[in-house]
Amino acid sequence: DVKVTQSSRYLVKRTGEKVFLECVQDMDHENMFWYRQDPGLGLRLIYFSYDVKMKEKGDIPEGYSVSREKKERFSLILESASTNQTSMYLCASSFDVGVGEQYFGPGTRLTVT
Amino acid sequence: ELKVEQNPLFLSMQEGKNYTIYCNYSTTSDRLYWYRQDPGKSLESLFVLLSNGAVKQEGRLMASLDTKARLSTLHITAAVHDLSATYFCAVDALDSNYQLIWGAGTKLIIKP
Repeated sequence: DVKVTQSSRYLVKRTGEKVFLECVQDMDHENMFWYRQDPGLGLRLIYFSYDVKMKEKGDIPEGYSVSREKKERFSLILESASTNQTSMYLCASSFDVGVGEQYFGPGTRLTVT
Repeated sequence: ELKVEQNPLFLSMQEGKNYTIYCNYSTTSDRLYWYRQDPGKSLESLFVLLSNGAVKQEGRLMASLDTKARLSTLHITAAVHDLSATYFCAVDALDSNYQLIWGAGTKLIIKP
């Protein structure tokens, strides 16, 4: 079974803090994704990566950066957290050359106060 | 613009009834995915539909894909309370640059 893990289930940070969200997958997947999910707005793609050190912006990259130094690990960074970044963050991975079925981690509920 | 539209967005129904959730999409694709999300939880893959006419069934849920009509359906038979969740469809568009295009989700509440 594919396993995608995220470093924290719940996180509370203060405005202006630098925040790191980590995601690790154990199935040698090429592609990894970061989404945020907010009530009424569905899933929105922040960034994705199709290879080590490669990254592409999604629909809402502003205020975020990512890092993929190893194939199994994809990090989301909030350079200076703001209250409007309070959300559920979901990491996913997929194997397919194109996109393929995505496997999701358990999610991190981030609250910025 | 690539769009995936689900309807209804909210559905409340009684146990034992049948119902269908619809997923329309605006682009050429022959790969479509259905996911389930329980409150406060992450997304779980339900069905992978990879060709026109594909039909998959798991328990009381059945999904189908008509690529000519750009339509997928998720049919619920004799609903039970445990199927209460939000259901998402997502399309693997040929020109979407590695991205899945997601529907807004259908929140399904099944009353005992």
